Amino acid sequence: AQSVSQHNHHVILSEAASLELGCNYSYGGTVNLFWYVQYPGQHLQLLLKYFSGDPLVKGIKGFEAEFIKSKFSFNLRKPSVQWSDTAEYFCAVTLTGTASKLTFGTGTRLQVTL
Amino acid sequence: DVKVTQSSRYLVKRTGEKVFLECVQDMDHENMFWYRQDPGLGLRLIYFSYDVKMKEKGDIPEGYSVSREKKERFSLILESASTNQTSMYLCASEADSYEQYFGPGTRLTVT
Repeated sequence: AQSVSQHNHHVILSEAASLELGCNYSYGGTVNLFWYVQYPGQHLQLLLKYFSGDPLVKGIKGFEAEFIKSKFSFNLRKPSVQWSDTAEYFCAVTLTGTASKLTFGTGTRLQVTL
Repeated sequence: DVKVTQSSRYLVKRTGEKVFLECVQDMDHENMFWYRQDPGLGLRLIYFSYDVKMKEKGDIPEGYSVSREKKERFSLILESASTNQTSMYLCASEADSYEQYFGPGTRLTVT
């Protein structure tokens, strides 16, 4: 069965530190990839997505992610985090052609300290 | 601006009760979804609907049913609530861009 792994469950960083959150998936076909974010007390919202083309995608708030097909990975990065980035981050994957049926990872809670 | 609303933010029900969770979207989206969110498990898809009166099981449909009589409204039904259905329930609707827009969630406690 398809699955999505986020190995970092809880990450604590100081402001201005660089961030990389891992996401690996196990799917046999062509995939669409997403990162969603849930800020404290807010709705889950889309951070960025990859369907095809340039494997380095840029999202909102300075986030980016790189799709590495050979590693089945779609890691999220940000060069310098801010306190306001404190949130839970979810990676999600779906097979191309079944774009609706997302499989989410278990999430990574990011805590940014001042 | 897309808006997905859910009927309740917090709900407390007793074991065996029938529970209705309502979700409404205002963007004329075809596809709507129900997830449950549990700590350490992420979001898991319960059911989704790709048109009025059309539904498809997600990954964990047992103990749940859904209803979509109108395009804007998608209801999740717990036929006989059990304590293991205590969870946060999230509704989403999907734009043509495949971005899913989520509601605020309903935190259901079954005692």
